[in-house]
Amino acid sequence: GAVVSQHPSRVICKSGTSVKIECRSLDFQATTMFWYRQFPKQSLMLMATSNEGSKATYEQGVEKDKFLINHASLTLSTLTVTSAHPEDSSFYICSVQKTAANTGELFFGEGSRLTVL
Amino acid sequence: AQRVTQPEKLLSVFKGAPVELKCNYSYSGSPELFWYVQYSRQRLQLLLRHISRESIKGFTADLNKGETSFHLKKPFAQEEDSAMYYCALLTGGFKTIFGAGTRLFVKA
Repeated sequence: GAVVSQHPSRVICKSGTSVKIECRSLDFQATTMFWYRQFPKQSLMLMATSNEGSKATYEQGVEKDKFLINHASLTLSTLTVTSAHPEDSSFYICSVQKTAANTGELFFGEGSRLTVL
Repeated sequence: AQRVTQPEKLLSVFKGAPVELKCNYSYSGSPELFWYVQYSRQRLQLLLRHISRESIKGFTADLNKGETSFHLKKPFAQEEDSAMYYCALLTGGFKTIFGAGTRLFVKA
């Protein structure tokens, strides 16, 4: 398997501030990480694909200037929610895929719950 | 269009009863399908993948290309099977898209 760690697990911030969420792959090097968003009682929505050493690929409808993704190393990707608003409150989940193994299986972080006041 | 549909938000069965969680997909390529499970207060994890044709925790799922379905089945549900189940489709771009999920509640 793979161990993926997210931090923080919970964060509360004021409207207008920025929040950074970290996703670490602890036991293997991940060239690609995925960021999902989950609304209450709804499915996971893919936000973007984080690529090590290059720009992230955003899904349609996701504002890249709002959700900044940085994948500076093979073990760390960060998601920064800029100028947060209450509608950004959600559960954000990162995942990694062992492309070398080519199984397609995703390994998930524990998620980060963001509450914007 | 690429889409995964899970028509049931909630499925409630008695312990020992058979259970079937429905999943239909829409994909123009050759599909790779998965079932992920999320137990209470735990992270999402893989339950099984169609390509492995395996049985995990008594669950099986068969890919039916004619019906574009990948239903998850278990002949005798257990209380510990209570969880959120997500059907997922791996696309050619290595992106995984998820269905809306079905909450399974197994009653004693």
